[in-house]
Amino acid sequence: IAGITQAPTSQILAAGRRMTLRCTQDMRHNAMYWYRQDLGLGLRLIHYSNTAGTTGKGEVPDGYSVSRANTDDFPLTLASAVPSQTSVYFCASSDGETGGTGELFFGEGSRLTVL
Amino acid sequence: GQNIDQPTEMTATEGAIVQINCTYQTSGFNGLFWYQQHAGEAPTFLSYNVLDGLEEKGRFSSFLSRSKGYSYLLLKELQMKDSASYLCAVTDSNYQLIWGAGTKLIIKP
Repeated sequence: IAGITQAPTSQILAAGRRMTLRCTQDMRHNAMYWYRQDLGLGLRLIHYSNTAGTTGKGEVPDGYSVSRANTDDFPLTLASAVPSQTSVYFCASSDGETGGTGELFFGEGSRLTVL
Repeated sequence: GQNIDQPTEMTATEGAIVQINCTYQTSGFNGLFWYQQHAGEAPTFLSYNVLDGLEEKGRFSSFLSRSKGYSYLLLKELQMKDSASYLCAVTDSNYQLIWGAGTKLIIKP
């Protein structure tokens, strides 16, 4: 049972570089999310998608973009990485339209360091 | 603004009982979640409360009082593997999840 797969699990990159974090789920969930988790702060929503073909901005969307070409994949792109984007990134999915009343299933996380 | 408060860290003894509190101030309420997160791992779902009262699931129970904006997670018969962070999250009127910063629980032998 794969659930949600994220790649890479860890990455160090130079400021100004472009980076795409990949996320794939095999549960056929409609809704998918990208969160970042920083020490001392709660999970913060970057972008979300209620269904394939639609995306929305979360609490901290600046500097990030997403796409949802199909149900399974939800990549997150940093167009020009900055050190403040150093964080652990979690992809999640749920079978509810917004996830607000449904259990979230998380990937294992991608630890990103921007130097 | 919307806010969820949890203690930053708690310590308890193996075999004992611990209660982790969560208070919230949100624009509306459509349910409260508890997640467990071991260090370096992903959060995993523990419980969901939408009505007042106690929900019991094995060694873990979760309580909700909507009038007080308050919930707690009760862990009984603590085991070393319960050492983790416990995240409280509330769904607001727009069905957006608001997360607390989490409570790190340390279990001592």
